[in-house]
Amino acid sequence: KNEVEQSPQNLTAQEGEFITINCSYSVGISALHWLQQHPGGGIVSLFMLSSGKKKHGRLIATINIQEKHSSLHITASHPRDSAVYICAVLSGYGNKLVFGAGTILRVKS
Amino acid sequence: NAGVTQTPKFQVLKTGQSMTLQCAQDMNHNSMYWYRQDPGMGLRLIYYSASEGTTDKGEVPNGYNVSRLNKREFSLRLESAAPSQTSVYFCASMGQAFYEQYFGPGTRLTVT
Repeated sequence: KNEVEQSPQNLTAQEGEFITINCSYSVGISALHWLQQHPGGGIVSLFMLSSGKKKHGRLIATINIQEKHSSLHITASHPRDSAVYICAVLSGYGNKLVFGAGTILRVKS
Repeated sequence: NAGVTQTPKFQVLKTGQSMTLQCAQDMNHNSMYWYRQDPGMGLRLIYYSASEGTTDKGEVPNGYNVSRLNKREFSLRLESAAPSQTSVYFCASMGQAFYEQYFGPGTRLTVT
């Protein structure tokens, strides 16, 4: 079993829909990252969370430390949100990230 | 600030050839990383450096060597390239205060 599990693996949505991507992890962590990668593109950090909730524009990230679970929400989705979204956790014992396999999101107009 | 820079962006090698991927960051970060990304596999850690003068193996270090030349630069060397090393390589650095992670633009390497 991977230490970081994401769901769903693939997601297709219509423009305007509310989207949720989930991340569960099995190790103690000091931080959790949500990353975005557009096709053929680089990787950008969207959020770094250690507790609670963060919001940036139409993106919201939450984390529940007790349940070892995080969610990334996209409100009013747009075709430009089409990308791979990656969850990564920083273990409590070191400074290495452990990555989920990613969620491929396609938003249709 | 340029952030994390990588060179080259693309490279084609023949089996057995060697090359060095260069990475530099201008954010005064202690920690730097080399990852490879393969379809369906996600990002996998090759080597990392927690501080200048130290390097450690990651998940997939075989066939690679690294050098932390100074605090800014962290290079990845393929001594004898193999087709299995065809991949996209990303360098990254991490800030020590808030664990923010910054990635370079990637190097697309093909070994024939």
